Amino acid sequence: AQKVTQAQTEISVVEKEDVTLDCVYETRDTTYYLFWYKQPPSGELVFLIRRNSFDEQNEISGRYSWNFQKSTSSFNFTITASQVVDSAVYFCALSEGDYKLSFGAGTTVTVRA
Amino acid sequence: DAEITQSPRHKITETGRQVTLACHQTWNHNNMFWYRQDLGHGLRLIHYSYGVQDTNKGEVSDGYSVSRSNTEDLPLTLESAASSQTSVYFCASKDRVNTEAFFGQGTRLTVV
Repeated sequence: AQKVTQAQTEISVVEKEDVTLDCVYETRDTTYYLFWYKQPPSGELVFLIRRNSFDEQNEISGRYSWNFQKSTSSFNFTITASQVVDSAVYFCALSEGDYKLSFGAGTTVTVRA
Repeated sequence: DAEITQSPRHKITETGRQVTLACHQTWNHNNMFWYRQDLGHGLRLIHYSYGVQDTNKGEVSDGYSVSRSNTEDLPLTLESAASSQTSVYFCASKDRVNTEAFFGQGTRLTVV
């Protein structure tokens, strides 16, 4: 069964628009960790954020913000005032207390100038 | 600086050949992983290791094997390459359960 679902396959926006990427996860563990990674066109995987299951505090880092809601098993990611450099594939991932990461299928974000 | 490197970056091989992809990390992490990336599937776990002499199967392990003779290296072997194994392969290492994984640059493998 898919543990991490990213329902949006592709999102296309015009520069300066906001874009929100959805991530829904499934776990029975009480302790787990959620991650977002960015994969730019160059192909490498860039770590963006980590959140543990006990910390529901939202986080903002520059134009990036994350909304973690345990009640809906969601860990959504918003890019505010998007820029062309934000064009990438974004992955949400879950670690359930072992060291393995389960990834969603990814959302391709295209920001048009 | 510590890093994780994969080689080769690109490889073309023929169906039926044995292929080995190298992964070397200098983070001194016990935990290492191999993933494959395919469109529509994200990254799927092939094999992983929690330490020297430890190896475990992931969700898509058929046709692949790994060995862990030291902390730094986790080579991935395709026993008899098949066209279905054409993919981008990523190696990763991780320190603790609550830390992020560090990924190599990826290896693009084409089986013809």
